[in-house]
Amino acid sequence: DGGITQSPKYLFRKEGQNVTLSCEQNLNHDAMYWYRQDPGQGLRLIYYSQIVNDFQKGDIAEGYSVSREKKESFPLTVTSAQKNPTAFYLCASMTRDSSYNEQFFGPGTRLTVL
Amino acid sequence: AQKVTQAQTEISVVEKEDVTLDCVYETRDTTYYLFWYKQPPSGELVFLIRRNSFDEQNEISGRYSWNFQKSTSSFNFTITASQVVDSAVYFCALSEGNTGTASKLTFGTGTRLQVTL
Repeated sequence: DGGITQSPKYLFRKEGQNVTLSCEQNLNHDAMYWYRQDPGQGLRLIYYSQIVNDFQKGDIAEGYSVSREKKESFPLTVTSAQKNPTAFYLCASMTRDSSYNEQFFGPGTRLTVL
Repeated sequence: AQKVTQAQTEISVVEKEDVTLDCVYETRDTTYYLFWYKQPPSGELVFLIRRNSFDEQNEISGRYSWNFQKSTSSFNFTITASQVVDSAVYFCALSEGNTGTASKLTFGTGTRLQVTL
């Protein structure tokens, strides 16, 4: 089955701790994305990556970091510098061969800061 | 800068009614793509439909149809004969049109649809 997996589904963090959210895809997609969703709001782009070993900041990158060492993996670290990290995080991917720019999404990770 | 506006925060209908979700967008690009995604309570975004800026033909796919009008920058989505399983949050999204690059999606704030018996 091809798709995007995110783990864990629920994550609890104490203030001041860094946490890493996992995103893996077996769709052979080149581009990967991280979005944040807050209640009553749309999705906002945190970081994206077009190819391995390359990534760019999105609209709300402060307090987050990413890496792209493998094509299929794009982990997101929420650092202690992120002032309000409690949110729903969604990972997505897209093939660069697509002329339609359609993104496919994972099931999400819900992060709660205690 | 791109912007997507979904003025309807929440809509409630009775099963079998038709419902239209509104979407208005802003972009300076001449080539762009528009999408509708569905987010059920489980949280995962499910792709529904897409349109590119060069194709204003409106279509019907099963119970879904859409009305794309460049003159009013609108991309409205209609569900015919709604069902309880249609209850979800629906997002309209816009992306720039550079094929082959990692195009970023700009989302609206979503419309929560509640379909009751």
